[in-house]
This record gives sequence, C-alpha cells and structure tokens, in this order.
Amino acid sequence: DTGVSQNPRHKITKRGQNVTFRCDPISEHNRLYWYRQTLGQGPEFLTYFQNEAQLEKSRLLSDRFSAERPKGSFSTLEIQRTEQGDSAMYLCASSLGKHQPQHFGDGTRLSIL
Amino acid sequence: LAKTTQPISMDSYEGQEVNITCSHNNIATNDYITWYQQFPSQGPRFIIQGYKTKVTNEVASLFIPADRKSSTLSLPRVSLSDTAVYYCLVGPFSGTYKYIFGTGTRLKVLA
Repeated sequence: DTGVSQNPRHKITKRGQNVTFRCDPISEHNRLYWYRQTLGQGPEFLTYFQNEAQLEKSRLLSDRFSAERPKGSFSTLEIQRTEQGDSAMYLCASSLGKHQPQHFGDGTRLSIL
Repeated sequence: LAKTTQPISMDSYEGQEVNITCSHNNIATNDYITWYQQFPSQGPRFIIQGYKTKVTNEVASLFIPADRKSSTLSLPRVSLSDTAVYYCLVGPFSGTYKYIFGTGTRLKVLA
C-alpha cells in the first residue's frame, strides 16, 4: 500500500491559464474522489468516480472544471481559464468499496497570480 | 444532505482524554460517520469510522447515540503530536455521494 499520490504538490500559474492535476489512487481502490479545500475550511466535495464512471459532480464544479479517470486507474482534474478564486488545495481520495473509508493524498496546492 | 457542526477549537494537556463532538442532525439512513486528522499542508488522515453505537480501534473510540444525530470522537491520553485539526465526515455510501465535512476542530495539546 503506497498510498494516494498527487502531482504536482504545488502549482503556480497566471490567471487565465489552464492547469491539470494528477491523482494515483491506492491500486486496488475502485472509487476515487476529488475535493477542494481553502484555508481554514474543511474539504468540499467536487466529484466522484467508480472505476472509470464519473457518478456525481458537485455544483462547485463549474464548466471550467473537468475530471477524468481513463481505464479506472489514475485520474486528472483540469481547470480551464483559471481565476483567483480557484486558489486552493485540491485533494484526491480513494476507497476500496462502498462501505470503506476514504484515504487521502497530500493534495496539490494551486496558487493563481 | 447532512450538514455537520463541530467546536472550532479545543485545548488539552498531555496525557488527558479528549472528546470532540460532531453534530449532524440531518444524517440519512445510509450515512456513515468518519473522523479524520489533518496536519498543515497534508491531506486528511483516517482515524475511525462507524455507523452506530461504539467503535474502537488502536488510536481512538467513536461513540454514536441511537438517534445518530451526533457523534463523539474520543482520543485517550493525547500527546503533543496530536495537535491537529479534526474533521467529521458524514457521507452516503449509496445515492448521491455528496460527502460533507464538518467545520473542523483545532485541537491544541499543551505540555
């Protein structure tokens, strides 16, 4: 069990640019989740995959956000035309099954200049 | 969709037992309750999960009353390294999967 891996750990970009984050879940976990966390707040749910199927998207996930999980393995989260308000920590989690707890990576911190 | 409420902060001394309560009045039948610990610049780390009554593992206990509208995380004999933010997470494991984290409780353990 190598844990959930997220890359990059930090991303600094200019407003208006596109960014992509990657998450590698624990290998046997079929469920993968994305959250966003701003300073002093708890994580906010963004979206969820079961294998390659994206089953739920939060209203927080605007049209500029897209997530994929090809072949049910790693996942990517892309933000297009970044805005100042997108600055946050983006967390990925995975779980083994329906009643199993989520295990989190250490996140990607996005800073928009 | 369960909304959760926790105390914002708590102080304790080393060696004491700490109890942190999370209120989730609108918890759904299929929701589980999970507690996490988070250090700065790290992702949340799983502590314990339960559905009802009492659950205990090597690091904590979780107490859930019959009406399940609240839950209490109990940390026995805390140490300085337990200083962190603690979150409760209420989430449906079927249905809409809209997992809701609490506001977080900042625990400070003093020597």
